[in-house]
Amino acid sequence: ILNVEQSPQSLHVQEGDSTNFTCSFPSSNFYALHWYRWETAKSPEALFVMTLNGDEKKKGRISATLNTKEGYSYLYIKGSQPEDSATYLCARPAGGTSYGKLTFGQGTILTVHP
Amino acid sequence: DGGITQSPKYLFRKEGQNVTLSCEQNLNHDAMYWYRQDPGQGLRLIYYSQIVNDFQKGDIAEGYSVSREKKESFPLTVTSAQKNPTAFYLCASSNDKEGGNSPLHFGNGTRLTVT
Repeated sequence: ILNVEQSPQSLHVQEGDSTNFTCSFPSSNFYALHWYRWETAKSPEALFVMTLNGDEKKKGRISATLNTKEGYSYLYIKGSQPEDSATYLCARPAGGTSYGKLTFGQGTILTVHP
Repeated sequence: DGGITQSPKYLFRKEGQNVTLSCEQNLNHDAMYWYRQDPGQGLRLIYYSQIVNDFQKGDIAEGYSVSREKKESFPLTVTSAQKNPTAFYLCASSNDKEGGNSPLHFGNGTRLTVT
């Protein structure tokens, strides 16, 4: 079983603050790294799928970076809004012929206070 | 609109009974997955299927069974052998011809309570 870890476990910020959290994963046999946002009472929604070392992706106020050599990815939210409150999940496929086997981290629960 | 439908949203069963959770997708995706979520834990993979008539065990397959007779459907049976079946179950699919590069699309989940 891959060990995918996220930190912090939870985070409380004020509206307008910028924030970031971390996903750590085994760097061997790396293939891709997924980020998802899971709002209460909704389905998890894909944010990014990243594959290249040094890759940086952006979607509105949310961006992510990837370091495959050291096995970590950062997710940044600029100017947090209450609607950004959600659980943010990262996941890594096993790779090879087991590419469908994604292992998720425990998630970071973000609460943005107005 | 294309998507994934899980039914029912809430399910209650007595201990010792098998129960089947439905998952249907109309996204024409090859791969489908079942995950389980427990409080304080991440999503854990139960079973996945990368193609019709084939499926693989995930990390916590014991006490569960699946079938993949049609591309659109991937039902999960929680058997009486599953020691702690009460949980939130999520089904997902992906257009995974590129091997792990495609994002997962999730259903709304089924909350199973066994008493």
